[in-house]
Amino acid sequence: KQEVTQIPAALSVPEGENLVLNCSFTDSAIYNLQWFRQDPGKGLTSLLLIQSSQREQTSGRLNASLDKSSGRSTLYIAASQPGDSATYLCAVDTGNQFYFGTGTSLTVIP
Amino acid sequence: DAGVIQSPRHEVTEMGQEVTLRCKPISGHDYLFWYRQTMMRGLELLIYFNNNVPIDDSGMPEDRFSAKMPNASFSTLKIQPSEPRDSAVYFCASRPRWGLGEQYFGPGTRLTVT
Repeated sequence: KQEVTQIPAALSVPEGENLVLNCSFTDSAIYNLQWFRQDPGKGLTSLLLIQSSQREQTSGRLNASLDKSSGRSTLYIAASQPGDSATYLCAVDTGNQFYFGTGTSLTVIP
Repeated sequence: DAGVIQSPRHEVTEMGQEVTLRCKPISGHDYLFWYRQTMMRGLELLIYFNNNVPIDDSGMPEDRFSAKMPNASFSTLKIQPSEPRDSAVYFCASRPRWGLGEQYFGPGTRLTVT
């Protein structure tokens, strides 16, 4: 069974800092990997989806990378803002199942 | 499109009562997923449908849970009888096709069983 781990569980940074969130998975046989953002009491909002054949995807200040062979993905957030404060989850698509990490809770301090 | 729609947004019920959660996926999406999120267990996939057909219900915790998708625009998740340990946020998500395209989540239903 695929296991998805996110480190750190919580992160607090001052506004303006660049930061990296990590996601690791145990089985490299994946279709794609998706990063989500969840605000308190809200649903999940898709940020980026990386296909298994891709190495990275970019959207604005966000950049996600994927290294299938090592079972790792990172989400890079540039010039963090207080509005980036949320929980970030990664999800691995194995072709017939989705596995979510437990998330990283990010706080950006003004 | 209005996105994935779920109702109700909040449900409070007493133990033993039947609970029905509803979901309307994004039009044209072939896949529909039901998830449960708790502090202890995180986000868990309960069941998913492809073109209205249940494909994998291995995540359904027990026989008290059932899900249906009578047509492409509507799905229900039913708990009968409900128990306090069923208290959680239940999310519905849809996806255009497997392997490509993102999952889009609804706002969730917060269920409290007293």
